[in-house]
Formats: sequence, structure tokens, C-alpha cells
Amino acid sequence: DTGVSQDPRHKITKRGQNVTFRCDPISEHNRLYWYRQTLGQGPEFLTYFQNEAQLEKSRLLSDRFSAERPKGSFSTLEIQRTEQGDSAMYLCASSLVREAGELFFGEGSRLTVL
Amino acid sequence: EDKVVQSPLSLVVHEGDTVTLNCSYEVTNFRSLLWYKQEKKAPTFLFMLTSSGIEKKSGRLSSILDKKELFSILNITATQTGDSAIYLCAVKMAEKLVFGKGTKLTVNP
Repeated sequence: DTGVSQDPRHKITKRGQNVTFRCDPISEHNRLYWYRQTLGQGPEFLTYFQNEAQLEKSRLLSDRFSAERPKGSFSTLEIQRTEQGDSAMYLCASSLVREAGELFFGEGSRLTVL
Repeated sequence: EDKVVQSPLSLVVHEGDTVTLNCSYEVTNFRSLLWYKQEKKAPTFLFMLTSSGIEKKSGRLSSILDKKELFSILNITATQTGDSAIYLCAVKMAEKLVFGKGTKLTVNP
């Protein structure tokens, strides 16, 4: 499978715990994006990387959220001290650096905070 | 503030009907407009539109962009139950996509 893969697909955690999601983009794609989607809403931009550099972070991304892409390949998104409001689908997408290039999405990691 | 507005938010039709989904936008640094289909998992890419007035077609689906009036439509003809999904409109601004809330289409047999 040469698409975007995310792990885990589902995560249930208790409030206050830390969680980490992993995303493996399409291999030749140098841009990687994280989005969050809640029920009835479209995906909301969180952050993106070009190679290993994190170039933009949304105001939605509180200081409990951190994302890394250490070698410009896979990326991790960590949420510390989870809150119930963090429950959502976390989507990863990748693309080539191209002015109007489409993003290719993974199947998402669904987080439920109890 | 950049925004993408889709209408209607929900639509129920019968198989064989034709539907038109709407997307209007107000953004800075417009690069392109994209349509995605989302079933119970990841959004899958349908179309990317960069130029006004040029229709893109794929089977029963077609889409067109009006950059003067800042909107796009997605048409689906002869709908099938497999077309039931959420259709997302997104605008590419500089480096990121900004999405609308989506239109939930239900096609009944």
C-alpha cells in the first residue's frame, strides 16, 4: 500500500493521559499536514511540515499539542494531558510542493477521551 | 477571516435524481478549489479547479469554478446509493487547505 498510513486507527484514553499518533506519508511527498475533524465539521488545519521543518501552526494548536517530523519522513502528533474536547478524528495528509497540488489523506486516528 | 461555506448542509434524494452542491468562499491568497468525497473514513480527492469557467468531469460528476463570484458547484447526475457521502469543498490558500463543513448527501433506493 503506497498511501498515507496512520497509527493507531482508534485510541481510547482517560482524561489527563498523553497520546501519540503516527503518520507515514506517501514516500515522495515532502509536505505533511495534520488536520482535526469533529462530527458535523470539515477538517480543521492544525499544522504542516515541509521536509522536517514545521512551517505553520494553527491557533487551534494549544501548547498541549506538539508535532514532529524528525527526518522529513514520518510524523508524530502528541497530545499531553488530554481533555474531553480533544476527542476527534486526527487526519494526516501529504502532498508534493506544487502550487495547487491536492492533498492525499490517511484514514485518520480517532481519539476518544473519557 | 478566511471562510468556505457549503450549502445545503444536508440533502436527501432518490436514486436517479440530479443534485447540485454549492460552495462559496472568501479567502486570501486563493490558489485552487478542491472537492473531496468522505465516506466513513478519509476524504478522497475528486476535483481540483484553478480556472474559471472550465468544467471538470469524471463520469457522472462534474464541477465548475467562478472566480469572479467566488463559488463552485459540484453536480452529480443519475445519483446512485453509492454516492451517499459527505462532500467537502476546500480552498487551497498558499500552503494549506481550508475546508467547509461539508454537504451530507443521502441517496435512497
